[in-house]
Amino acid sequence: DTAVSQTPKYLVTQMGNDKSIKCEQNLGHDTMYWYKQDSKKFLKIMFSYNNKELIINETVPNRFSPKSPDKAHLNLHINSLELGDSAVYFCASSQDATALYGYTFGSGTRLTVV
Amino acid sequence: GDSVTQMEGPVTLSEEAFLTINCTYTATGYPSLFWYVQYPGEGLQLLLKATKADDKGSNKGFEATYRKETTSFHLEKGSVQVSDSAVYFCALSMNTGNQFYFGTGTSLTVIP
Repeated sequence: DTAVSQTPKYLVTQMGNDKSIKCEQNLGHDTMYWYKQDSKKFLKIMFSYNNKELIINETVPNRFSPKSPDKAHLNLHINSLELGDSAVYFCASSQDATALYGYTFGSGTRLTVV
Repeated sequence: GDSVTQMEGPVTLSEEAFLTINCTYTATGYPSLFWYVQYPGEGLQLLLKATKADDKGSNKGFEATYRKETTSFHLEKGSVQVSDSAVYFCALSMNTGNQFYFGTGTSLTVIP
């Protein structure tokens, strides 16, 4: 059983489209995250939810909207996709918001906007 | 503010060479420290961690010691293999919520 699973693994879409990425964790963790990794491997946090409550909302375009229907799921919806949105998006979870024991990451979604 | 700084890559080594990837941190309190590894095409995996000063984390032949006096957490391995080729990230958590910081990553390539 995959601990943090995200779908799809690859997503190729045209500019202007709307797309969603889904994430689920079966670890019983309270806190989930979305990170964006650029072509230079730099990781930037986008959002974090703790028990379905938004606790981190970094400066990202409001075309990006997270949704957490329950503490095991965190989805990312992106409107009006732009070329610059092309990146790898990682979902992660931690036991709680302190992340004392670190994160568990999903395998990533490679988004390509053409 | 709190942060980690790790040596820039890329690093290229021959198989069985000794590896050191430097990581230093800035923190106002007492962080937990981590090394993550990202193999090509995969997500990040926790490699090792240390939660207090003088702790040594170890896994798969890699080691790192939490040194408060030098604010460092350098990653070492005595003899690297081709399969160790990956990007390595140093990270810290301030343990107080919402404060987890990654370094910029160091790419390692091991050649036979």
